[in-house]
Amino acid sequence: DTEVTQTPKHLVMGMTNKKSLKCEQHMGHRAMYWYKQKAKKPPELMFVYSYEKLSINESVPSRFSPECPNSSLLNLHLHALQPEDSALYLCASSQGLRANEKLFFGSGTQLSVL
Amino acid sequence: QQQVKQSPQSLIVQKGGISIINCAYENTAFDYFPWYQQFPGKGPALLIAIRPDVSEKKEGRFTISFNKSAKQFSLHIMDSQPGDSATYFCAARNKDGSSNTGKLIFGQGTTLQVKP
Repeated sequence: DTEVTQTPKHLVMGMTNKKSLKCEQHMGHRAMYWYKQKAKKPPELMFVYSYEKLSINESVPSRFSPECPNSSLLNLHLHALQPEDSALYLCASSQGLRANEKLFFGSGTQLSVL
Repeated sequence: QQQVKQSPQSLIVQKGGISIINCAYENTAFDYFPWYQQFPGKGPALLIAIRPDVSEKKEGRFTISFNKSAKQFSLHIMDSQPGDSATYFCAARNKDGSSNTGKLIFGQGTTLQVKP
């Protein structure tokens, strides 16, 4: 199983809502990532977890709150988002953080903030 | 310095032709250079990757050429097919043990269209 599964595939939320994005992998990977991708732009790193601990936070606003409850799961909690936060949110995983370790990406959650 | 510059932004190639995408970087801490392919509605998928101690790597129709002194690398797609139509991202990752270990930086992307 070389899949990273993200749910939901699509999400529409108002600026006062609280929602969560979920990501799951069963490859035994110990590093997991959240990326944000705007249309026709490259993915931008948001967070990196290594062995369930936050390793990198790219100065992401606090309205985005990541959580890694165990080595297979990664969540992104959303609260009081702005319309400009509308984007494709991608989860990825890798064996570890070594430079040559392959990142496997999920298909993403397309988020629209109204 | 944590940037990878990619060109062209878009590329149209006839079926059977060669597609060439170029990337350049400044940061000498980069130690691993993958290329990702992304289809609409999907996440990026690793296509091929190279380390800076190798000047060329070939996998099937895909070849990376790497020029360490110029800090440039490129992707060549030989015998391009309509199924290759996608967005291609070059990327770079820092050396193990550096301050940004684990961080994968993407270039701006190239939209490739291969005409039948």
